[in-house]
Amino acid sequence: EVQLVQSGAEVKKPGEPLNISCHGSGYNFVAFWIAWVRQKPGKGLEWMGIIYPGDSHTTYSPSFQGQVSISVDKSTSTANLRWSGLKASDTAMYYCARGTRGTTYYLDYWGQGTLVTVS
Amino acid sequence: DIQMTQSPSSLSASVGDRVTITCRASQSIGRSLNWYQERPGKAPKLLIYSTFNLESGVPSRFSGSGSGTDFTLTISGLQPEDFSTYYCLQTYSSVWTFGQGTKVEIK
Repeated sequence: EVQLVQSGAEVKKPGEPLNISCHGSGYNFVAFWIAWVRQKPGKGLEWMGIIYPGDSHTTYSPSFQGQVSISVDKSTSTANLRWSGLKASDTAMYYCARGTRGTTYYLDYWGQGTLVTVS
Repeated sequence: DIQMTQSPSSLSASVGDRVTITCRASQSIGRSLNWYQERPGKAPKLLIYSTFNLESGVPSRFSGSGSGTDFTLTISGLQPEDFSTYYCLQTYSSVWTFGQGTKVEIK
C-alpha cells in the first residue's frame, strides 16, 4: 500500500528554522516525484515545488523560490521541506504528494498534512 | 507561469443535480489537467487525471473533458458526500499551478 506519512504539527516563533518531512512507503521511492503544496487557513491549494528523488532534480514555484528548500534522503525514503527563518505568513497546512507520470503528470497519493503555526 | 482560472468560485446545488465546474488555462496545456476533491480537514483526493481518466475507486458520476485551454469537471447526480471544494491542477509546464477552487454547497 502506497503511503506518505508526514511529520507532526509544529508551533514555532518567527525567525526560527524548521524542517518538516514526508516518508514514502509501499512503492519505489526514487522513481516518483514528490511535490509540496501549501494551504493557508481558509484558502486554496498552492503548488510550492517538486523534487525527483532519483537525482534530486528540483523545481520551485517562483512564489516559493528562495523562501523554502526541498530535499530528499533516499536512504530513508524521506522528502524534506525546510525554512531557514519562519515568518508569521508561513502559518499553513503543508501537504506532500506523489507525482506520477501517465500520459501526463498528476499527484496521486497525498500525505495527511503538517500544520505549521508561526506565532 | 500558466494561470488557471476556475469558475465558479462557489455554487449551491441540490442532491441529484448535475454540476459543472470549469478551468481555463492562460495558454494551451494539452490534456495535462487533473481534478481534486477536498473535504474539510482531509487531504485532497485525486478524482480525474489527464483530463478525462477516472481515478480508481472514484464514482462514475464524476467525469472530465476538455483540451487546450478549456476543461470541465461534471458531477452527474450530486450526492451528499460530494459537497466539497474542487480544484484543478495543470501539470503541463515545469511549474504546476492549481485553480482557485470551487466550493460546492448544499442549496
